[in-house]
Amino acid sequence: GESVGLHLPTLSVQEGDNSIINCAYSNSASDYFIWYKQESGKGPQFIIDIRSNMDKRQGQRVTVLLNKTVKHLSLQIAATQPGDSAVYFCAENTMYSGGGADGLTFGKGTHLIIQP
Amino acid sequence: DADVTQTPRNRITKTGKRIMLECSQTKGHDRMYWYRQDPGLGLRLIYYSFDVKDINKGEISDGYSVSRQAQAKFSLSLESAIPNQTALYFCATGGLGFSMNTEAFFGQGTRLTVV
Repeated sequence: GESVGLHLPTLSVQEGDNSIINCAYSNSASDYFIWYKQESGKGPQFIIDIRSNMDKRQGQRVTVLLNKTVKHLSLQIAATQPGDSAVYFCAENTMYSGGGADGLTFGKGTHLIIQP
Repeated sequence: DADVTQTPRNRITKTGKRIMLECSQTKGHDRMYWYRQDPGLGLRLIYYSFDVKDINKGEISDGYSVSRQAQAKFSLSLESAIPNQTALYFCATGGLGFSMNTEAFFGQGTRLTVV
């Protein structure tokens, strides 16, 4: 079956550096992607989303890049701060029920560790 | 107050016992979901509901049942708990997304241990 996955389970970066978290997806029919952040003891929180008709979308200190040719999604966090330490999940929408969140397929997550 | 509230936050129960996890939301969303999170496996969908009269099985519904008591309430039951149901459970809500993709808003999670 098709699935969403992540290249690295753990990413360690220096405080102040930029972080890049990668995600590979295999469902070519997916047209909506979300990045979630999950801090210890909390539920996942929405960070940023992107539709397949876009290549790039920017938020506050975060940028999501979508490369449909190689089915790759990345999350870039600028000037990483201690509060960015968390597990980051990508999710894709498989669109089998009108595009609602029931179609979301989640990756396994990347743990971002911030070193002082 | 949280938009999506789960109770209890932590629970230890014995094999064979029935247990109910409750979820309530103040976001006014029609869609509600129950997910299970296991280390290394990410989030997997158990059940979802589009409205009070609509219940749908997700990827891993065996051993679970749900009840949508009201638009704001969606409970998950384990009729006879077993140890491999030990996991972190999340309730989530989402708005109508028929022509738009939507994100899911998550509760804080319930850590369930079956001994």
